Amino acid sequence: DIVMTQSPDSLAVSLGERATINCKSSQSVLYSSNNKNYLAWYQQKPGQPPKLLIYWASTRESGVPDRFSGSGSGTDFTLSISSLQAEDVAVYYCQQYYTTLYTFGQGTKLEIK
Amino acid sequence: QVQLQESGPGLVKPSETLSLTCTVSGGSISSYYWSWVRQPPGRGLEWIGYIYYNGNTNYSPSLKSRVTMSVDTSKNQFSLKLTSMTAADTAIYYCARFDYGGFGYFDYWGQGTLVTVSS
Repeated sequence: DIVMTQSPDSLAVSLGERATINCKSSQSVLYSSNNKNYLAWYQQKPGQPPKLLIYWASTRESGVPDRFSGSGSGTDFTLSISSLQAEDVAVYYCQQYYTTLYTFGQGTKLEIK
Repeated sequence: QVQLQESGPGLVKPSETLSLTCTVSGGSISSYYWSWVRQPPGRGLEWIGYIYYNGNTNYSPSLKSRVTMSVDTSKNQFSLKLTSMTAADTAIYYCARFDYGGFGYFDYWGQGTLVTVSS
């Protein structure tokens, strides 16, 4: 299994400031034949299902605000929120789809400072 | 807009079998992969397995011996059966759709249904 490890477990950021969440995979999720990283990010608000934010490590899903961005390659990835809004309070998960045993990180809880 | 809706019992007794159905509306079940993902209360996400519209399946090795998925394209539904339920299976169960290319990220999710295992 590919183990996904996120850091930190929780994070408090002031409104308008930048939030950064990290995700590390236990093996590379970069597929050499197409040079794509098989990594997605989701946002989950209380009482709601996860919502897809980013796929291919850096491609924003349609309708996702451009303050959300994804970066990284291989085993190390980052989700950034450039200017935190109140509605961004949520738990964020990374997920690898490099293998057909799909695995998620443990989640990072983002709060307002 | 594609919508997914889980249905099934909210309470299951230990050792019994859980049966859940996901109804897809606003789009066809054909040409897509469909998954079940669960989340124990207050915890993270666990992928259970997927089924393709033609009936091909792939299950998580940790649950493979207890899981069966099926699809009914005429009803635009797919289903999950999980046998020998224990308290450890208490979770919110989500149905979700893979992206169109079938690569493995989830672009649509149901609202989820809480299943509690208790006598």
